[in-house]
Amino acid sequence: EAGVTQSPTHLIKTRGQQATLRCSPISGHTSVYWYQQALGLGLQFLLWYDEGEERNRGNFPPRFSGRQFPNYSSELNVNALELEDSALYLCASSIPGLAYNEQFFGPGTRLTVL
Amino acid sequence: AQTVTQSQPEMSVQEAETVTLSCTYDTSESDYYLFWYKQPPSRQMILVIRQEAYKQQNATENRFSVNFQKAAKSFSLKISDSQLGDAAMYFCAYRNAGGTSYGKLTFGQGTILTVHP
Repeated sequence: EAGVTQSPTHLIKTRGQQATLRCSPISGHTSVYWYQQALGLGLQFLLWYDEGEERNRGNFPPRFSGRQFPNYSSELNVNALELEDSALYLCASSIPGLAYNEQFFGPGTRLTVL
Repeated sequence: AQTVTQSQPEMSVQEAETVTLSCTYDTSESDYYLFWYKQPPSRQMILVIRQEAYKQQNATENRFSVNFQKAAKSFSLKISDSQLGDAAMYFCAYRNAGGTSYGKLTFGQGTILTVHP
């Protein structure tokens, strides 16, 4: 069974540009989660999508947005990039109806903002 | 809001020995889930072990076990017979069992575990 995949592996942008990160969940998983892992700030919850709808959002500005497609894959968009957006962005997927709702993580996209 | 605290930024252990990683959390909820995740240098987060707050029995997965103290809001991870492949960053995580933040994992700061041969 294929795991969660993310693309690209690395992304280099300059301040003010837009970044688009992509995530494909495990087959059969309808929920996708995005987390930011920034140096010194730990892992922070960004967004949760399920069945195409945004279910919950972390404490991030509106320039962080995303969407979930009918095939349950997801995009994370970061507009007007700032230097502090440099981080590892992790995507996870799950089947939300299960008891533990275990989240399976992808390898991440390393975003560097210059 | 829930918080998770890992007070040990770094830990080390000799191969084949036992090590315990600490985690405390704060919540007003009565039903929730707790997890330990491992993040090796390759970056892929892997679930190590999980515990439901309503289950009094401590979870065990092979060499990994937890000491769950609900009243003290403590959730430590014990790794027995440590192996070189156990070297990684370990994260303690919390999730509500319901409500609007149901899907959100709250992580601790992480503990870097070094295993010496």
